[in-house]
Amino acid sequence: DGGITQSPKYLFRKEGQNVTLSCEQNLNHDAMYWYRQDPGQGLRLIYYSQIVNDFQKGDIAEGYSVSREKKESFPLTVTSAQKNPTAFYLCASSIVTYQPQHFGDGTRLSIL
Amino acid sequence: AQSVAQPEDQVNVAEGNPLTVKCTYSVSGNPYLFWYVQYPNRGLQFLLKYITGDNLVKGSYGFEAEFNKSQTSFHLKKPSALVSDSALYFCAVVDSGGYQKVTFGIGTKLQVIP
Repeated sequence: DGGITQSPKYLFRKEGQNVTLSCEQNLNHDAMYWYRQDPGQGLRLIYYSQIVNDFQKGDIAEGYSVSREKKESFPLTVTSAQKNPTAFYLCASSIVTYQPQHFGDGTRLSIL
Repeated sequence: AQSVAQPEDQVNVAEGNPLTVKCTYSVSGNPYLFWYVQYPNRGLQFLLKYITGDNLVKGSYGFEAEFNKSQTSFHLKKPSALVSDSALYFCAVVDSGGYQKVTFGIGTKLQVIP
C-alpha cells in the first residue's frame, strides 16, 4: 500500500535538545511538505521541497531545518532555537505542488 | 499574498439535513482549490479539488463544492449529513501565478447531531 509514514507518533524534547521527525513516502511524489498544527490556527507551512536536494522556507521556518537527499525522505529537525515546539507536526507529499496532498498521521511533540 | 478564510469555527447540522462549510480565498492569479477532512489525531484526507473546468466539483463521500469566481468562494456542500461526517474540514488554495505554495484555512469543525 502506498502512503506516507511519520515516526515516531509521540516525541518528547528536553530543553536545549534538537529532535528529528521522520517522514518517508513510497508514492513516488516529487513534492513534500512539513506543517505545524496548533489548536485554532490551522496548518502552517514550515518547509516544502519540490525536488530532491532543493527546499524552500514556508511561513514559520525559524527554529526548524530540513534535508531532502532522497526523493522518498524529508526529515524535519526541531532545533533548540524553536522556543515553543509543542505541536502536532504533519508531513505531506504530492505529485506537484498544485495537486492534492497525501498526509501522514502526524507526530505529536511535547516538552519534558 | 494569497490567503484563505473559513469564517465559521464550527458548523452544527442535524443528521439528514444539507450541510455547507464556507471558504473564501484571495490570490493574484488563478486559484487551485482543495478541501480536506481531518479526524482526531490523524492526518488530513483529500476530499475534492478545483483546478479548471466545471464550477461544481464532486468529490469523495458524497461531498461537492461550488467554485464562484466573482465571490472568490469555494463552499463545501453535502445534500444529507451523516453523523460520521463530524470532523475538522480545511480549505486550501494554491496560486497558479505565484510560487505555487499552498495556504490552508484555519479549519471548520463540523458537528452532525443525531
